[in-house]
Amino acid sequence: GQQVMQIPQYQHVQEGEDFTTYCNSSTTLSNIQWYKQRPGGHPVFLIQLVKSGEVKKQKRLTFQFGEAKKNSSLHITATQTTDVGTYFCADNTGNQFYFGTGTSLTVIP
Amino acid sequence: EAGVAQSPRYKIIEKRQSVAFWCNPISGHATLYWYQQILGQGPKLLIQFQNNGVVDDSQLPKDRFSAERLKGVDSTLKIQPAKLEDSAVYLCASSPRTGLKQFFGPGTRLTVL
Repeated sequence: GQQVMQIPQYQHVQEGEDFTTYCNSSTTLSNIQWYKQRPGGHPVFLIQLVKSGEVKKQKRLTFQFGEAKKNSSLHITATQTTDVGTYFCADNTGNQFYFGTGTSLTVIP
Repeated sequence: EAGVAQSPRYKIIEKRQSVAFWCNPISGHATLYWYQQILGQGPKLLIQFQNNGVVDDSQLPKDRFSAERLKGVDSTLKIQPAKLEDSAVYLCASSPRTGLKQFFGPGTRLTVL
């Protein structure tokens, strides 16, 4: 079935450093959603990208959708301890939702 | 606005026993999803309902898992009989319609011994 790979699997950063997670697919994505899951919590929706090459910003978070719609990225500028959690991309193709493998972010104060 | 409700929050059972989970979505949300999240992995979609009809259940192990949403509102997911590998968090999510952002419930953590 559809597989959406994310890299890296884990990332440890010092508070104030930047962080980026990448989401890659071997097939064209219809649209991509990003979720954040805090430790012990449930996924919380962050954003949806639909258009090729789309870039959206939410405060310190920047989301991009690749030109070929086969990859996406989430970049966090100047991480804070509140950014700790696992970030998932999710491909919505047809009626299916495929969540990526996730990137677990640890922020060291 | 009330969020997605799930119960129980935790369940411990022996293998080969049966278990059922309940989900009440956000009022007015037509689409309801059940996911299985094994520790360290992303959520895996088991079944998707649009109102009371099944949109997709291609990843539901139908020999042991069943789900229903009889009146198009709340839903139950059942496992019968449970296996050790069913130990996971079962997440319910809802959205106004398919393809829009999903609102997740707190999940039910199942441990099969």
